[in-house]
Amino acid sequence: GAGVSQTPSNKVTEKGKYVELRCDPISGHTALYWYRQSLGQGPEFLIYFQGTGAADDSGLPNDRFFAVRPEGSVSTLKIQRTERGDSAVYLCASSLTGDRRYEQYFGPGTRLTVT
Amino acid sequence: LAKTTQPISMDSYEGQEVNITCSHNNIATNDYITWYQQFPSQGPRFIIQGYKTKVTNEVASLFIPADRKSSTLSLPRVSLSDTAVYYCLVGGNSGNTPLVFGKGTRLSVIA
Repeated sequence: GAGVSQTPSNKVTEKGKYVELRCDPISGHTALYWYRQSLGQGPEFLIYFQGTGAADDSGLPNDRFFAVRPEGSVSTLKIQRTERGDSAVYLCASSLTGDRRYEQYFGPGTRLTVT
Repeated sequence: LAKTTQPISMDSYEGQEVNITCSHNNIATNDYITWYQQFPSQGPRFIIQGYKTKVTNEVASLFIPADRKSSTLSLPRVSLSDTAVYYCLVGGNSGNTPLVFGKGTRLSVIA
């Protein structure tokens, strides 16, 4: 079956611009997660959705970062006033339920470069 | 959250068995041990999960001693395509506790 997909695969933007990153989870998975990964580091948790609601957004670094999942499926991560330090690979993952959080299925990621 | 410690890197020749050990001294009673594999330019992939003793699937085996303060991921007869970063994670499946990835172990398989 189809896995987790993310678009775009690469995004280059100028400092100060706004970007949106999209995630399509596996059909039927109620839990969705966003991470970001810098070179040489493991993925860093950003936010977790159970259905339409953000169950845990404790990993969002500041209020420039926001994510939505209005219909409980597709999610969009939004970054305002981008900074060079936001450059990273943004990963999305889904799991069947929040209780299966340790068996997550990851997408290929979106590589964001802020110039 | 239980902290994990694993080697930064390992090298192996093709065809050998590779064992990667992870220490998690403060593992909690309801914590599971989970391993992920990540290839370059891809997201991590779930490999195996266990609670105690031994778990085996088509990819790997996971050995967990009785005190559960460590675990060993065993990859039989590795090939070049097993070159990847391997992450050990510890935590419970319930509640909202997020996954915490460390830096992982970079396994390089040499021909």
